[in-house]
Amino acid sequence: TQLLEQSPQFLSIQEGENLTVYCNSSSVFSSLQWYRQEPGEGPVLLVTVVTGGEVKKLKRLTFQFGDARKDSSLHITAAQPGDTGLYLCAGEWGTYKYIFGTGTRLKVLA
Amino acid sequence: DTGVSQDPRHKITKRGQNVTFRCDPISEHNRLYWYRQTLGQGPEFLTYFQNEAQLEKSRLLSDRFSAERPKGSFSTLEIQRTEQGDSAMYLCASSPRQGINEQFFGPGTRLTVL
Repeated sequence: TQLLEQSPQFLSIQEGENLTVYCNSSSVFSSLQWYRQEPGEGPVLLVTVVTGGEVKKLKRLTFQFGDARKDSSLHITAAQPGDTGLYLCAGEWGTYKYIFGTGTRLKVLA
Repeated sequence: DTGVSQDPRHKITKRGQNVTFRCDPISEHNRLYWYRQTLGQGPEFLTYFQNEAQLEKSRLLSDRFSAERPKGSFSTLEIQRTEQGDSAMYLCASSPRQGINEQFFGPGTRLTVL
């Protein structure tokens, strides 16, 4: 059974600080997505990584896919209150099937 | 492109009643997914369609749950004889043609079973 563990589960930081969220599994995924979700809304796709070792940047967010395609990280530089939300990773296994991580709830204080 | 829409946004029902939710995917997206999400957790896969064919159904989905996508466009998720444990956010997502591995989510339907 595939399992995606995210750490930390909760993170509360001051505006301007840097942070890293981890997404780990013992399974290999053909791709991995990161989403951010606001309360009462559906997840919004941030990025998809496909190749082992791939790094993608989205403004202050840097995403990396592990070389073995079993893990990923999300690094936020100079966090802002607008970054507050639930961050979810989702691994693609089989053909177009996805398993979501346990989530990291981030709160950035002004 | 109006995105994925779901109806209703909120549903309160009494235990034992049946409920039905609707999802309208992004136009021409051929894959459609249903997920269930409880508070503070990641979405949990329920089922998945490619066009009108239901290709996968979670073993976690009891016989009380059924989903359809009759014409390969909108989809419905029905829960019969609801139980309090069914209370959750039900999310729908759609994905475009083959080779694109991204999901676009709707706003969800929040179900509360009293």
